[in-house]
Amino acid sequence: EAQVTQNPRYLITVTGKKLTVTCSQNMNHEYMSWYRQDPGLGLRQIYYSMNVEVTDKGDVPEGYKVSRKEKRNFPLILESPSPNQTSLYFCASSFGGSNYGYTFGSGTRLTVV
Amino acid sequence: GDSVTQMEGPVTLSEEAFLTINCTYTATGYPSLFWYVQYPGEGLQLLLKATKADDKGSNKGFEATYRKETTSFHLEKGSVQVSDSAVYFCALMVSGGYQKVTFGTGTKLQVIP
Repeated sequence: EAQVTQNPRYLITVTGKKLTVTCSQNMNHEYMSWYRQDPGLGLRQIYYSMNVEVTDKGDVPEGYKVSRKEKRNFPLILESPSPNQTSLYFCASSFGGSNYGYTFGSGTRLTVV
Repeated sequence: GDSVTQMEGPVTLSEEAFLTINCTYTATGYPSLFWYVQYPGEGLQLLLKATKADDKGSNKGFEATYRKETTSFHLEKGSVQVSDSAVYFCALMVSGGYQKVTFGTGTKLQVIP
């Protein structure tokens, strides 16, 4: 089944403790992206990647890192999480081109206390 | 910059009622337009799309027409069901570049029996 898989689905952590949210897609998509979803703000892009080793900042990149060492994987790293990073996070991937939409993962609900 | 404006929710309808969710956009260039749906506890799913002016996207009884003259992409369904209860996001992507999708803030639809 074609899908984007994120792990974990739920995570509660403490301020400053480094964490990684994994994302993997099995559709050989070029483009991958991370979004955060907050009430009243919709989805905001954190980072995106156009291919292996090609990444760039989205609209809200502060406090996050990403890497794209393999085409299928695009982990999101929070080196020192803070409470304002409590949010619902989505990974998404696409073939690229305006004819294609994104395929989204099921989301990771992160709480930083 | 690019932006998408959706009508505020929540929208509450009785089963079999007619649905319209308004969406307008501003964009540099010629965007493709999308509607995504998010069911409770899940990621976003592509519902329909349109890639050029006057195109009509349709899926699962939902329709939306790309109106360049009014910069709109309103979502409609003739007869909603309880199973349509979800959050609906209007989005745009400008061709070229890095496949960034700009989302509206979402409109929650609740359909009551």
